[in-house]
Amino acid sequence: DTGVSQDPRHKITKRGQNVTFRCDPISEHNRLYWYRQTLGQGPEFLTYFQNEAQLEKSRLLSDRFSAERPKGSFSTLEIQRTEQGDSAMYLCASSSTGRGTEAFFGQGTRLTVV
Amino acid sequence: GENVEQHPSTLSVQEGDSAVIKCTYSDSASNYFPWYKQELGKGPQLIIDIRSNVGEKKDQRIAVTLNKTAKHFSLHITETQPEDSAVYFCAAIPPRGNEKLTFGTGTRLTIIP
Repeated sequence: DTGVSQDPRHKITKRGQNVTFRCDPISEHNRLYWYRQTLGQGPEFLTYFQNEAQLEKSRLLSDRFSAERPKGSFSTLEIQRTEQGDSAMYLCASSSTGRGTEAFFGQGTRLTVV
Repeated sequence: GENVEQHPSTLSVQEGDSAVIKCTYSDSASNYFPWYKQELGKGPQLIIDIRSNVGEKKDQRIAVTLNKTAKHFSLHITETQPEDSAVYFCAAIPPRGNEKLTFGTGTRLTIIP
């Protein structure tokens, strides 16, 4: 399968712990996005990479959040000192260069902070 | 920034009937409008999209219309089937920025057999 892959699918963690999620985009896609989706809402943009460069971060991305995309391939999203409000679905999407090109989403990682 | 509103939030239709979901956007310069279908426990999947130089696009039972003057666009599903039951999201990409999507709040569509 050559779609966007995310790992893990589910994560339960205690408040205050650190968590890291991984996204493997479609191999030829140079754009990678992270979104967060809470129950009953649409996905909200968190951050964007073009190749290995992180070009944009949302104000939603507090200092506890960090994302990387070494070598322009897979990406990781780390949340430090998790809070209950971080509980959400974290979605990764990738697309190729070009105006209005289709973004393909992964299955998401559902984070529950207890 | 761009703001997308979507309604209704829930919609139930008899199998075989048509469903219409409407969205409005705020940035008149936005020029790409995709629609995503999200099933339980899955990521959003693109079902149809439209660019601002086109007024209507159709793909089998699914169609999207765009009214640039009024800044609204709609999804039309005809001859609905049980497998159409899902949450549908509209989105817009503003012309400035990095092709990031601004989503509506979603419509939960239920097809009644």
